[in-house]
Amino acid sequence: NAGVTQTPKFRVLKTGQSMTLLCAQDMNHEYMYWYRQDPGMGLRLIHYSVGEGTTAKGEVPDGYNVSRLKKQNFLLGLESAAPSQTSVYFCASSRTPSGETQYFGPGTRLLVL
Amino acid sequence: DAKTTQPNSMESNEEEPVHLPCNHSTISGTDYIHWYRQLPSQGPEYVIHGLTSNVNNRMASLAIAEDRKSSTLILHRATLRDAAVYYCILRYVNNNDMRFGAGTRLTVKP
Repeated sequence: NAGVTQTPKFRVLKTGQSMTLLCAQDMNHEYMYWYRQDPGMGLRLIHYSVGEGTTAKGEVPDGYNVSRLKKQNFLLGLESAAPSQTSVYFCASSRTPSGETQYFGPGTRLLVL
Repeated sequence: DAKTTQPNSMESNEEEPVHLPCNHSTISGTDYIHWYRQLPSQGPEYVIHGLTSNVNNRMASLAIAEDRKSSTLILHRATLRDAAVYYCILRYVNNNDMRFGAGTRLTVKP
């Protein structure tokens, strides 16, 4: 199993450009999450999904949109990138929300100029 | 959300035990205590979790105070590969997210 994979690994954007980050998991997990991590800080939840076709806001959702059209994929979109969105983005998945482990991807490093 | 307090950094010598403390004085009865770690340039990795009783697994042990207001992650023999940021997180039983603090940066010296 590949676990959780993220595409791309690194991207540079100009202010105002748009892009989509892709997260894929092959563990048949219901729950998927997008986090961002700024330098020297812990992760903060952007959006999450409790199943195919459902999404919900996390702690810092502004400026991002998400979609979960297939159970194994969770997309994070930036419609108009801003320098404040420069960060490392991590995707995670879990079988259930509560006491279960979250499995994280390797991260996508995004630089917005 | 109940919050946790951890030291910013700790040092250990290789092959010695490490005790990483976490205070969570506002914990509720249904909050699980989770520990994750993040190695350099990687995503977080699950270490261990518990509710009331002490827990052991192949990676570490989790000691939970009787009043549940603090816990300690124990690495029995630190290796250089254990150098990472360790996060102590409280999760309500049906919560869909985890709130990461800044964690404890563990340095392991050879």
